[in-house]
Amino acid sequence: DTGVSQNPRHKITKRGQNVTFRCDPISEHNRLYWYRQTLGQGPEFLTYFQNEAQLEKSRLLSDRFSAERPKGSFSTLEIQRTEQGDSAMYLCASSPGQGPSYGYTFGSGTRLTVV
Amino acid sequence: TQLLEQSPQFLSIQEGENLTVYCNSSSVFSSLQWYRQEPGEGPVLLVTVVTGGEVKKLKRLTFQFGDARKDSSLHITAAQPGDTGLYLCAGAGREDTGRRALTFGSGTRLQVQP
Repeated sequence: DTGVSQNPRHKITKRGQNVTFRCDPISEHNRLYWYRQTLGQGPEFLTYFQNEAQLEKSRLLSDRFSAERPKGSFSTLEIQRTEQGDSAMYLCASSPGQGPSYGYTFGSGTRLTVV
Repeated sequence: TQLLEQSPQFLSIQEGENLTVYCNSSSVFSSLQWYRQEPGEGPVLLVTVVTGGEVKKLKRLTFQFGDARKDSSLHITAAQPGDTGLYLCAGAGREDTGRRALTFGSGTRLQVQP
């Protein structure tokens, strides 16, 4: 296993278009997280899954955003009707469990630019 | 406003100097983690501290968790250019909201000049 994989690495889209990002976590990790990071800021929590169940969503996740993890393995994050304010790095992370001893393993992120 | 405030935001020092980065919050966390992030990459876990007052050392890095589990510090001794990066603190298990996912701080960008 080579870690958390995110695709694509970069995405440039026109305002109003829909985009979808994919995350493949470490195979034995049952928890998967999505974060968004803008320049000069720390990552902001969007949502997280335990297996296929979406257990928590941030208020940042407007109705234009949807995330799925259909079989408890890979996950997708879709943004509909993109806006310039959606431009950011979208980070995916996974962890093997819940609790203070479990750190997150992050992917390299997908950088979205909305023009 | 960021729930976890880190200071300073930026730090540029010469190789061999010592430095301390601070992470402060008004919320109590069950644990706190420190990550380092390089440009174009995701954060990489450095350490997890769990007990109030806990001190952990990782070679030239010393991490401390405050007694009240609201703050933490990272001290680097004899900084090297390879220490350059964005240092992020992240709190787990917020007691006021019950959030289970990590809450990240605003980050401290460190540049070590050779």
